[in-house]
Amino acid sequence: GNSVTQMEGPVTLSEEAFLTINCTYTATGYPSLFWYVQYPGEGLQLLLKATKADDKGSNKGFEATYRKETTSFHLEKGSVQVSDSAVYFCALRGSNAGGTSYGKLTFGQGTILTVHP
Amino acid sequence: DTGVSQDPRHKITKRGQNVTFRCDPISEHNRLYWYRQTLGQGPEFLTYFQNEAQLEKSRLLSDRFSAERPKGSFSTLEIQRTEQGDSAMYLCASSPRGRSTGELFFGEGSRLTVL
Repeated sequence: GNSVTQMEGPVTLSEEAFLTINCTYTATGYPSLFWYVQYPGEGLQLLLKATKADDKGSNKGFEATYRKETTSFHLEKGSVQVSDSAVYFCALRGSNAGGTSYGKLTFGQGTILTVHP
Repeated sequence: DTGVSQDPRHKITKRGQNVTFRCDPISEHNRLYWYRQTLGQGPEFLTYFQNEAQLEKSRLLSDRFSAERPKGSFSTLEIQRTEQGDSAMYLCASSPRGRSTGELFFGEGSRLTVL
């Protein structure tokens, strides 16, 4: 079945530091890949996505590239801010070659990011 | 606000009691999902509906759990004879009809505490 593995956390950084959160996946077919973020007291929201190999998703200074050869979708940001402190979830959604998606998302366990001033 | 709404936001109950959660999806979305999230873990899939049809159920959804979406709009998740292990955040999400890249729109969740 499908699965997602995220790097062990939590991650603590100083403001303006470089961020990488690793994510690898196991899936059949042609999955779409996502990063979701959960800010304190809020619901999960989509941060970025990539739907096919070599696509790069980007949003709010965050980037992730869909690497089929390494089955990875690592999240990066060049300079983090205190406001980026949140829990980050990598997720995938399976699909077939025709692009028909298979319902549910499968999530990783989440990585807590804390950014200090 | 036209986002996904869940009710109640918090529920404290005693072991053995029944609880019901309600989810109102975004109005034009035909797919609705239920997930469970425990502390330090990612959301775990429970079940999903396309319109009123329940298309998939996780083995996590024991006989004590039942979900409905009778008119293809709002959904309810009922837990009978609650156990302390049911304590978790129950998340609802929806997504639009048609071919899509799979983004789910989540509500803020209903937190269940079983004493």
